[in-house]
Order: sequence, then structure tokens, then C-alpha cells
Amino acid sequence: DIVMTQSPDSLVVSLGERATINCKSSQSVLYSSSNKNYLAWYQQKPGQPPKLLIYWASTRESGVPDRFSGSGSGTDFTLTISSLQAEDVAVYYCQQYYTTRMCSFGQGTKLEIK
Amino acid sequence: EVQLVESGGGLVQPGGSLRLSCSASGLTFSSHAMHWVRVRQAPGKGLEHVSTISSTGGSTDYADSVKGRFTISRDNSKNTLYLQMNSLRPDDTAVYYCVTDVDTAMVFDHWGQGTLVTVSS
Repeated sequence: DIVMTQSPDSLVVSLGERATINCKSSQSVLYSSSNKNYLAWYQQKPGQPPKLLIYWASTRESGVPDRFSGSGSGTDFTLTISSLQAEDVAVYYCQQYYTTRMCSFGQGTKLEIK
Repeated sequence: EVQLVESGGGLVQPGGSLRLSCSASGLTFSSHAMHWVRVRQAPGKGLEHVSTISSTGGSTDYADSVKGRFTISRDNSKNTLYLQMNSLRPDDTAVYYCVTDVDTAMVFDHWGQGTLVTVSS
């Protein structure tokens, strides 16, 4: 099984500042034949279902603001919010979908405003 | 617009059973794999991919934590997904989401609103 580990568990950032969340997988999620990283990021606001933000490690889902970006390859990935807005308060999860039938998620990172 | 609407959650005693349903619309249901994902509220317990079923229903899989206790199924004639949950334990307490991956396999782009399952005496 691929274990996903996020850091930090919680993060407090001022409005307009950059927020960075890290995700590490226990084995590579880079599929060599396609050169694609099977890594996605989700945002879950209180009382709402999770929302897909990014897939293939860096492809933004339609409608997601461009202040959200994903980077990394292999086992180490980062979600960056370039200028934090009040509506970005949420829990963020990374997900690997390299294992074709059952995927796994990180434990979540809670993002709050300072 | 894709809509997924779960039902069937509630309070159940340990060892009891529940059957969750998910009614789907706005997509060709019989063309897509479907999934159940849960989020537990306990510290350190985030999202967990509970179960998956292929578009035809011919292939299923489960998280180790529910294998042998939960059964996923679907009725493509009714555009409905099910999760039969038996031998429920307190740590099955969670919000259960019906999820699909319309555009990219295993990238969960559509989620229901969720149904709360509470296992407690």
C-alpha cells in the first residue's frame, strides 16, 4: 500500500500571504511510460464535500483560481496558495491514484487565517 | 450537471447494519465506475477510499478496514449505487460520500453531499 504523509498537520497564514502544503508518498507515483504523476489535491470546507483542485500533480481543475498551484514529482509534492484569501480556509488532502483500483489520501492539513 | 444524492445514513448500534444508497443523475451512469469515500472525524482520520465498483458492476474492491463486512453494488437500470454495511463498529462512524470519476480514472471530480453514519450504543 502507498502511504501518503502530509506536512504540516495545521497551518496558520495571514491574508495575502503564501501557504505551502507538502505531501510525501511512500513510493513513487510517477508512471514512467506516460511521465505522469498520479497525484491529486482536494479542498474540503466545513460542512461541504471535498472539491477537486489539482490532478496529474499540477493540472488545475476547471474553475479553480490560479492562485492554487501544484508541483513536484516522484514522491514529493507541494500545493501552493500564492495569496491566501478568506475563502481558502479548509482542510486540504493529497491523493495518490497510482494504485489503479483503490487510492489513498494524506491525513489532511488544516489551513486557518492568522 | 452531475448530481449524486446519498441516503440511508443514521444511528446504529455496534454490530448492526445499514444500507446506503446513492441516486445519480446528469451522467451516463452505466459508463462510469463509482466509489464510496468516507471522512471520519477522529483526529488523524481524514479521507478513506472505502470501496469501488466498475461500470458494469462486475468488479469490486474494498479497503482492508471494511473487507468482509461491506458490500458495494449498483443497479444501472435505476442509476443507483449501494453500500451494504454489516457488523458495524464505532470506528465506522463517518460521513460517507458517493463519488465518481467522470473525466480521469480515480480522480474524484464529482461528490455527493454525504450521509452521516453514527455507530454507537
